[in-house]
Amino acid sequence: AQKITQTQPGMFVQEKEAVTLDCTYDTSDQSYGLFWYKQPSSGEMIFLIYQGSYDEQNATEGRYSLNFQKARKSANLVISASQLGDSAMYFCANGPRLQGAQKLVFGQGTRLTINP
Amino acid sequence: DVKVTQSSRYLVKRTGEKVFLECVQDMDHENMFWYRQDPGLGLRLIYFSYDVKMKEKGDIPEGYSVSREKKERFSLILESASTNQTSMYLCASSLLAGTTEAFFGQGTRLTVV
Repeated sequence: AQKITQTQPGMFVQEKEAVTLDCTYDTSDQSYGLFWYKQPSSGEMIFLIYQGSYDEQNATEGRYSLNFQKARKSANLVISASQLGDSAMYFCANGPRLQGAQKLVFGQGTRLTINP
Repeated sequence: DVKVTQSSRYLVKRTGEKVFLECVQDMDHENMFWYRQDPGLGLRLIYFSYDVKMKEKGDIPEGYSVSREKKERFSLILESASTNQTSMYLCASSLLAGTTEAFFGQGTRLTVV
């Protein structure tokens, strides 16, 4: 069975600093995807970034990058130059790249607070 | 833009009532999901569906059932609501291939009294 672990329930960071949110996963699938989502206090889930298990390069999307270490089963999210608007819950998720189904499993989340 | 719409933002129901949570997506996605979100537990998968009339149990299906009669609509049913089903419920949809993100609805905060 898939499992996602986010070990940081909460993090506090000064504005403009970089921040790393940890995510480890456990899956028996050979081919899978890793996702990060942001959930502001308004409640909607916003997709941030995706990494495929066979992608050789780490994914980047603007200020977001994914530090993917396959051997360690780690998929940490790095936010550069943090902003006040980055304060939110962040969820890591994993899903198999199978034909016919994509069962997404989420971690417990990390609440990030950016201080001015 | 992909839209996933949940029928209610807030819902209050009595113990023992049958509750329907409706979700509609407008992008012809094959996969649809129902999650519940509780503080400290993150999102837990209740059921998912990869085709019309097809469904699979997630991690916490007990006390819930689902219905997918049309591709765009995925309903979550609480046959007899209980207070421990008070939670935020999130619906999501995605394309069949495993390389694309899921799109979420705005959530339904259900309170069972």
